[in-house]
Amino acid sequence: RKEVEQDPGPFNVPEGATVAFNCTYSNSASQSFFWYRQDCRKEPKLLMSVYSSGNEDGRFTAQLNRASQYISLLIRDSKLSDSATYLCVVHMAGGYNKLIFGAGTRLAVHP
Amino acid sequence: GAGVSQTPSNKVTEKGKYVELRCDPISGHTALYWYRQSLGQGPEFLIYFQGTGAADDSGLPNDRFFAVRPEGSVSTLKIQRTERGDSAVYLCASSLGGLAGDRPDTQYFGPGTRLTVL
Repeated sequence: RKEVEQDPGPFNVPEGATVAFNCTYSNSASQSFFWYRQDCRKEPKLLMSVYSSGNEDGRFTAQLNRASQYISLLIRDSKLSDSATYLCVVHMAGGYNKLIFGAGTRLAVHP
Repeated sequence: GAGVSQTPSNKVTEKGKYVELRCDPISGHTALYWYRQSLGQGPEFLIYFQGTGAADDSGLPNDRFFAVRPEGSVSTLKIQRTERGDSAVYLCASSLGGLAGDRPDTQYFGPGTRLTVL
């Protein structure tokens, strides 16, 4: 089983739609969680950090359920510019400083 | 300010050859990371430096891979006897200090080096 699992998509949605991505992680020792955005042939960039039960930033809301080892990302009022791959990322505590990435969920927003 | 830079942006080599990939981190960042990203996958951790020393090299796939950071700034990832399976985008990231308590510092990624082994 992969450490971080995501639905690969693609999710094809019209502008203005609300879309949600799910992610599950296998290591219960994981402490910090992130969503990164990666445009085609570009580097990943941090979108949101999720340290407690959730985090909201404008149109983006991330939620964390530690009991179920599940993280979600909700995007409201989708824009064409939201088209990208969204990477779910997990960090373990205990002296490790590597990020564990999911394979990513691809989003395509169309007019 | 300048972000993480990586050179070359593209590298094509033949099976069995030796390659070096270079990373210039953000100035003042003491932590540096190498990741590898294959097509359709997320980045996979290779190695993490804190200053000049490799604090965690558990992601290096085998002894053909080696990385150095002799002065605590620029890092070089070295791959010996390249194989076709080494073809991927090699990403470098840096962060200010590594960890703040149990929370990691934000990692800033460079544009990557696309390695193709023929």
